[in-house]
Amino acid sequence: GAVVSQHPSRVICKSGTSVKIECRSLDFQATTMFWYRQFPKKSLMLMATSNEGSKATYEQGVEKDKFLINHASLTLSTLTVTSAHPEDSSFYICSASRLAGGLSSYNEQFFGPGTRLTVL
Amino acid sequence: QQPVQSPQAVILREGEDAVINCSSSKALYSVHWYRQKHGEAPVFLMILLKGGEQKGHEKISASFNEKKQQSSLYLTASQLSYSGTYFCGTEMTTDSWGKLQFGAGTQVVVTP
Repeated sequence: GAVVSQHPSRVICKSGTSVKIECRSLDFQATTMFWYRQFPKKSLMLMATSNEGSKATYEQGVEKDKFLINHASLTLSTLTVTSAHPEDSSFYICSASRLAGGLSSYNEQFFGPGTRLTVL
Repeated sequence: QQPVQSPQAVILREGEDAVINCSSSKALYSVHWYRQKHGEAPVFLMILLKGGEQKGHEKISASFNEKKQQSSLYLTASQLSYSGTYFCGTEMTTDSWGKLQFGAGTQVVVTP
């Protein structure tokens, strides 16, 4: 269990175009989904927290108009990189969180396989 | 708010042990450990909650020192498959929704 898929796995686009990335939890309903960005040999940088039916919460320094997040259902969140530029090239990873643990509850977070975006 | 991980990198021979540390300046609710192989997404290893918890996954174990706000990951009798970058993700008591802040990562290379 706890499988998260991401689509596409790789995308190359021209500067100025918009790119949509889908994140799905395949075998569980996610309480929350997160979007991360990772540069080569660097850590995971949290971009935003997404909950079904409500507006995403963006981390400081992340442009909400640039990175549009839609959380349509408990199993699907999408990230749209609008008017992409070469500096947006990166590895984008989503994760889906579910509540576990019974009395001492905690959030388990599972990552999708990532999407490598290259903007020419 | 990003936790501090050490060391940055470690090279081991198969069968050797290693310890990776993760420390925070903020009160933590939980610590999550992941391993990432090159070009792949991070894979969940284990979660430690408050209260001096210890856990194990195969021959990889971890502990959480609540007072020191520190967690350590122990790689015992390392195998070639243990190679990768290990990240700790910390969840603070003041955060909701399970938001994690990740350390810079520790690159582990296990050689034959």
